[in-house]
Amino acid sequence: NAGVMQNPRHLVRRRGQEARLRCSPMKGHSHVYWYRQLPEEGLKFMVYLQKENIIDESGMPKERFSAEFPKEGPSILRIQQVVRGDSAAYFCASSTDINQPQHFGDGTRLSIL
Amino acid sequence: AQSVTQPDIHITVSEGASLELRCNYSYGATPYLFWYVQSPGQGLQLLLKYFSGDTLVQGIKGFEAEFKRSQSSFNLRKPSVHWSDAAEYFCAVGAPGNTPLVFGKGTRLSVIA
Repeated sequence: NAGVMQNPRHLVRRRGQEARLRCSPMKGHSHVYWYRQLPEEGLKFMVYLQKENIIDESGMPKERFSAEFPKEGPSILRIQQVVRGDSAAYFCASSTDINQPQHFGDGTRLSIL
Repeated sequence: AQSVTQPDIHITVSEGASLELRCNYSYGATPYLFWYVQSPGQGLQLLLKYFSGDTLVQGIKGFEAEFKRSQSSFNLRKPSVHWSDAAEYFCAVGAPGNTPLVFGKGTRLSVIA
């Protein structure tokens, strides 16, 4: 059973570029969550999606950040016009149900030059 | 709003010694509680969870945790630590029917011979 798959594992962008982070949930999981981890910090919730719907985006910055989970294909976290402060590890998690444990991927480490 | 406090930033124990990692939470009702472990450069692995019922929860890798409502705590324990247990440990709280997990800042465990 494949776990939550995230790619790329590492992503380097220059300021002003766009970053696209992908997440394929575990088989049978229709709930996807994105978290951001800054150095020496715990994970901070960003957004929660089900297929084709954003359920909760209360933790996502209002500008430059967007997320989608299309009917077919992985969930995408998109960051436009990246800035140095976007450098972090971004983790995706999935679950079968809102009340079931979330299983995490290995993350994407985003570095902004 | 939910919050999680892990009072110990870094703990060092000798291999074979017992371990207790502290976690205190703030939540108005009975929460869902989780412990995750993160190895360097990796994602988070679920060690154990508490939803309801028996307040002593057994997890993987020989870990257990006890939910104490009166102390708002969910401390993680292991009777005999192995060198491979060296990692970052995160406590998290979730609300039934609600989405985002709220994480503590983590406790880094070092194991010495």
